[in-house]
Amino acid sequence: QKEVEQNSGPLSVPEGAIASLNCTYSDRVSQSFFWYRQYSGKSPELIMSIYSNGDKEDGRFTAQLNKASQYVSLLIRDSQPSDSATYLCAVNMDFGNEKLTFGTGTRLTIIP
Amino acid sequence: EPEVTQTPSHQVTQMGQEVILRCVPISNHLYFYWYRQILGQKVEFLVSFYNNEISEKSEIFDDQFSVERPDGSNFTLKIRSTKLEDSAMYFCASSESGSYGYTFGSGTRLTVV
Repeated sequence: QKEVEQNSGPLSVPEGAIASLNCTYSDRVSQSFFWYRQYSGKSPELIMSIYSNGDKEDGRFTAQLNKASQYVSLLIRDSQPSDSATYLCAVNMDFGNEKLTFGTGTRLTIIP
Repeated sequence: EPEVTQTPSHQVTQMGQEVILRCVPISNHLYFYWYRQILGQKVEFLVSFYNNEISEKSEIFDDQFSVERPDGSNFTLKIRSTKLEDSAMYFCASSESGSYGYTFGSGTRLTVV
């Protein structure tokens, strides 16, 4: 069974601090990795994608990938109350098709 | 910004009835998907669709489910005989290529009573 694991939280972070979200995946041949943000009752919104080892930065967001450890993380700098949401890690585990396997998500609360 | 549009936003149906959920993907996207999310649970893959045929389906996508692209813009999910456990949010998504990640629609909340 191919799995994506996340700590469900809740994770509480003071406003202005760095929020760190983690994800592990079971399939070593996984190729593409995504972070989605989901507000309560809404659809997932793509915020970051990463395909190779290392860091990728986009504004206040940094995705980190370590394929040897089968680990992907998301850092949110200067956290804002509007960042309060559930963050979903998604992995394309099957080479040649486009299906995503999602984790259960980490609920993040930014405390003003 | 281009959007994936889903209708209706909420559908209530009696157990055993057929429902059709509708989606208009982003116009230049070639890959289409249906996912569902039962309340409080993870987003689960149902089916992917490319070049007018199903490219992959999950165990959830049994004979009660079907997908169609009846014209150049719409993409539909039909559930023939709904069960209580089909109650969930159903998300349509599209992508130029799965490698770039998807754009999800706003979802249809299906309630089976």
